[in-house]
Amino acid sequence: DAGVIQSPRHEVTEMGQEVTLRCKPISGHNSLFWYRQTMMRGLELLIYFNNNVPIDDSGMPEDRFSAKMPNASFSTLKIQPSEPRDSAVYFCASTRLDRRTEAFFGQGTRLTVV
Amino acid sequence: AQSVTQLGSHVSVSEGALVLLRCNYSSSVPPYLFWYVQYPNQGLQLLLKYTSAATLVKGINGFEAEFKKSETSFHLTKPSAHMSDAAEYFCAVAEYGNKLVFGAGTILRVKS
Repeated sequence: DAGVIQSPRHEVTEMGQEVTLRCKPISGHNSLFWYRQTMMRGLELLIYFNNNVPIDDSGMPEDRFSAKMPNASFSTLKIQPSEPRDSAVYFCASTRLDRRTEAFFGQGTRLTVV
Repeated sequence: AQSVTQLGSHVSVSEGALVLLRCNYSSSVPPYLFWYVQYPNQGLQLLLKYTSAATLVKGINGFEAEFKKSETSFHLTKPSAHMSDAAEYFCAVAEYGNKLVFGAGTILRVKS
């Protein structure tokens, strides 16, 4: 299995632009998580889905952030408009809901908003 | 609500010395507990997990952790540090529904 695949690996954008981060979970996994990692705040859970349904989005910082999971094999995290303080590494992770087992992480997307 | 506290944002040990990274958790139900490691510019990789079976859990790269309910702790240890162990380590707790909550992380430095 290729693991959790995130794209792009790096994104540099100007303030005010829309940014879309993509994630393909491991086949057969039915829970998907989006995390944000910064030096100041560490690893923050933004939102997670079970069976493509958003369960908890309390970590989404503002209305500028939105996430979707249209099917079991794809999810997006969108920031519109982007701001410099959104600069961070964004991780996607997936796991099997029925096994309460460990989550597998992608390599992350390093976002820089200038 | 579940939470994790990692004591010490930075830990420095000499090569060959004991590694001890501390983690305390708070959970309203029997938790599942995890230790992850993150090397520079990489994602998180599972070291070991506790899922209510044996309280002493062995993981990869010679690491192990002991679940102590009375102390609400899940400390990570390794008898002898190696230079390649230098990384950031995260403790995490999961309750029902699979929501994983991470601690702030501990950066391990190994001195030669």
